Amino acid sequence: QQPVQSPQAVILREGEDAVINCSSSKALYSVHWYRQKHGEAPVFLMILLKGGEQKGHDKISASFNEKKQQSSLYLTASQLSYSGTYFCGTVGGSNYKLTFGKGTLLTVNP
Amino acid sequence: DAGITQSPRHKVTETGTPVTLRCHQTENHRYMYWYRQDPGHGLRLIHYSYGVKDTDKGEVSDGYSVSRSKTEDFLLTLESATSSQTSVYFCAISESGRADEAFFGQGTRLTVV
Repeated sequence: QQPVQSPQAVILREGEDAVINCSSSKALYSVHWYRQKHGEAPVFLMILLKGGEQKGHDKISASFNEKKQQSSLYLTASQLSYSGTYFCGTVGGSNYKLTFGKGTLLTVNP
Repeated sequence: DAGITQSPRHKVTETGTPVTLRCHQTENHRYMYWYRQDPGHGLRLIHYSYGVKDTDKGEVSDGYSVSRSKTEDFLLTLESATSSQTSVYFCAISESGRADEAFFGQGTRLTVV
């Protein structure tokens, strides 16, 4: 069961901020965030673990609400290089399936 | 960069033929995954492995089988390819499966005609 991402797409001007949301109907152990450029493989940004630990990109922040099984990725002062499709991935508490959402297409214009 | 290689990178095959895609890693990671990526669907999990000879189904496993006879190789087989299996296939690896990043291969573009 794929996690649900919103919005599906967002267009920004350079320097603006964006928030991408991810929610799941199941209890989660971890939430992962990846960015994919067109024609390339997804690249890891951040992982948030149950209990509060976070690992990943030092210029990107995210939150994980364990009670609501929701996560948000915060992109501040966006740069042109932030453009791409962002995926959240989730791992449930009882297995090791890493399941991804449908993605959010972020476009940053000059 | 993590040592993960997919082969072939591109393949065109005919409907009804068997196809095997290979994922090879040099990281000795325990967990390996196969995904397909289609417009509007994101990344969908086909099968994953949590050790040699240990595999489990994902969301879209029908028509696919996998095998992992050694740590470094995870094979995805389409028993009888159909046009609906035209897609980009990604392999990923992870050390712990839930608490570490997954590294993705460069993908295989498969076209079934």
